Amino acid sequence: GAGVSQSPRYKVAKRGQDVALRCDPISGHVSLFWYQQALGQGPEFLTYFQNEAQLDKSGLPSDRFFAERPEGSVSTLKIQRTQQEDSAVYLCASSFQTSGIKNEQFFGPGTRLTVL
Amino acid sequence: GQQLNQSPQSMFIQEGEDVSMNCTSSSIFNTWLWYKQDPGEGPVLLIALYKAGELTSNGRLTAQFGITRKDSFLNISASIPSDVGIYFCAVVAGGTSYGKLTFGQGTILTVHP
Repeated sequence: GAGVSQSPRYKVAKRGQDVALRCDPISGHVSLFWYQQALGQGPEFLTYFQNEAQLDKSGLPSDRFFAERPEGSVSTLKIQRTQQEDSAVYLCASSFQTSGIKNEQFFGPGTRLTVL
Repeated sequence: GQQLNQSPQSMFIQEGEDVSMNCTSSSIFNTWLWYKQDPGEGPVLLIALYKAGELTSNGRLTAQFGITRKDSFLNISASIPSDVGIYFCAVVAGGTSYGKLTFGQGTILTVHP
């Protein structure tokens, strides 16, 4: 499979637990994005990586959210002390370039997080 | 923040009918995108528009980039059951060069055979 993969596909957490969501981008893609999609809404930007550098984290909703991409490939989104409002689908997307108007983002299937 | 207003919220149509949905913004954008999302999957790009006034087709899909750069529409002709899904408009957020996207709320399309 040459597409973006995410794991786990589904995660149920008790309120207060920490969770880690993984994204494997398309090989060779420099840019990596995380989006949060609440039920019935469009995806909303969380954070952006160019290789291993996190250049934009303006969309992270609180300091409980942390993302990393230490080797410029796989990325992990970590949520500490999960709350019910964190329940959503977390989408990862990657793109080949770092700029340019035709820099298409390819999305993974998402991880559906449910916080009880 | 930037907001896209997408309408209608949902549509229920018969197979074979044509569909039209649109997206408006109070701000100007230089790139408009249309995505489709199937249940349990991520969005997939259908059509990308880069020039005001541009009309672009992809099979039975046609999209236009409004001349004011504040709106776009997507038409689907002769709908079929596999057109079912959620359609999103999106723009490349202003002030960034790396392509951060802002999405509309989505149009849920149901096609009755």
